[in-house]
Amino acid sequence: QSALTQPRSVSASPGQSVTISCTGTSSDVGGYNYVSWYQQHPGKAPKLMIFDVSNRPSGVPDRFSGSKSGNTASLTISGLQAEDEADYYCCSYAGTYTFVFGTGTKVTVL
Amino acid sequence: QVQLVQSGAEVKKPGASVKVSCKTSGYTFTSYTMHWVRQAPGQRLEWMGWINAGSGNTKYSQKFQGRVTFTRDTSATTAYMELSSLRSEDTAMYYCARKSIATSTFDYWGQGTLVTVSS
Repeated sequence: QSALTQPRSVSASPGQSVTISCTGTSSDVGGYNYVSWYQQHPGKAPKLMIFDVSNRPSGVPDRFSGSKSGNTASLTISGLQAEDEADYYCCSYAGTYTFVFGTGTKVTVL
Repeated sequence: QVQLVQSGAEVKKPGASVKVSCKTSGYTFTSYTMHWVRQAPGQRLEWMGWINAGSGNTKYSQKFQGRVTFTRDTSATTAYMELSSLRSEDTAMYYCARKSIATSTFDYWGQGTLVTVSS
């Protein structure tokens, strides 16, 4: 089961937007609407930001949004803020009760 | 409030085993599955598998099949992950993560347990 592919890093200035892609296959991302996104600050546990492709848990700012097209899911952060600087991981259900994470993307706020 | 509190850091020699605990509170333990995720230093998150806290049924990632065992103690509302035949590549932070009932996502995470394998 190969990891989902994410860009190693993205960056933008405060107030701008960034989009992180997460590419899998028809057996995971493309086959189910069960993609979630996690934010991880250094030394901390991951935090859920988006679930089931495009849903935000309560408490997550609406600057964070998710979408999916075919085998690729995306996380967009609009109005980037300093505290958004972190690593971001996508995760997809991969059938037969298994899950797979992405390779991770470091977001840098310039 | 939901809490997952993991056991402390471990240092093990190659070939040994380690058992990490995940003590839960604030919800009905047996109604959820508990997943385990690990992260080697500077590396990505890696899904290891799950245990249904109610039935005790388990599912392991193929990568760890045969080397990892998930158990739980319902009276103590605690889940356990035991990894055997440790090698240096198993040095990592190990997380327990509760899977939401309503969605296919991990809604609460433990703080992590660092396992270091070194001779």
